[in-house]
Amino acid sequence: DAGVIQSPRHEVTEMGQEVTLRCKPISGHDYLFWYRQTMMRGLELLIYFNNNVPIDDSGMPEDRFSAKMPNASFSTLKIQPSEPRDSAVYFCASSLGGWGSNQPQHFGDGTRLSIL
Amino acid sequence: EDKVVQSPLSLVVHEGDTVTLNCSYEVTNFRSLLWYKQEKKAPTFLFMLTSSGIEKKSGRLSSILDKKELFSILNITATQTGDSAVYLCAAHNDMRFGAGTRLTVKP
Repeated sequence: DAGVIQSPRHEVTEMGQEVTLRCKPISGHDYLFWYRQTMMRGLELLIYFNNNVPIDDSGMPEDRFSAKMPNASFSTLKIQPSEPRDSAVYFCASSLGGWGSNQPQHFGDGTRLSIL
Repeated sequence: EDKVVQSPLSLVVHEGDTVTLNCSYEVTNFRSLLWYKQEKKAPTFLFMLTSSGIEKKSGRLSSILDKKELFSILNITATQTGDSAVYLCAAHNDMRFGAGTRLTVKP
């Protein structure tokens, strides 16, 4: 079975540019999560969706960050304008059922983002 | 403030040793605790623990949760070099992760 698919795998861009990260969750999963991982802060939950609807975006660091899920098989995380401190690995994960279901999250391989 | 603390942060052992990794948590509306193994890429799921005192096992790995003392341990017996990774625990309420324990197993 295909897992969570993220693209691109690597992104290098100059500060000020718009960055769009993409995620395809596992088919049938109704929850989708975006995480960021850095050496300094570890793994952090940014936002999660249930049935394509954003439920909690309290982890999104600033208004420069936005996430959408136009359908059950696709989500984007956008940073505009990007800054060097946004450099991190961004993971997308999906699960069948949310917190109450006790179902584990399955992670994609991540997008390594470098803002110069 | 909710927090998840893992210890030790780093551990170096030799093949065949047994290791115990610790995870303590203080979170509101706690539901379960999860353990992940992260090598070079994404975290991979190991265990989900919801009940105190019930050990979960998978091969040489096992884990248990103590909801009274608010901690969990992950045991790895007869370690192998392939066990080298960062082990993350997360409190399953708002998925708050600990900083991880970096385990290095030397031949």
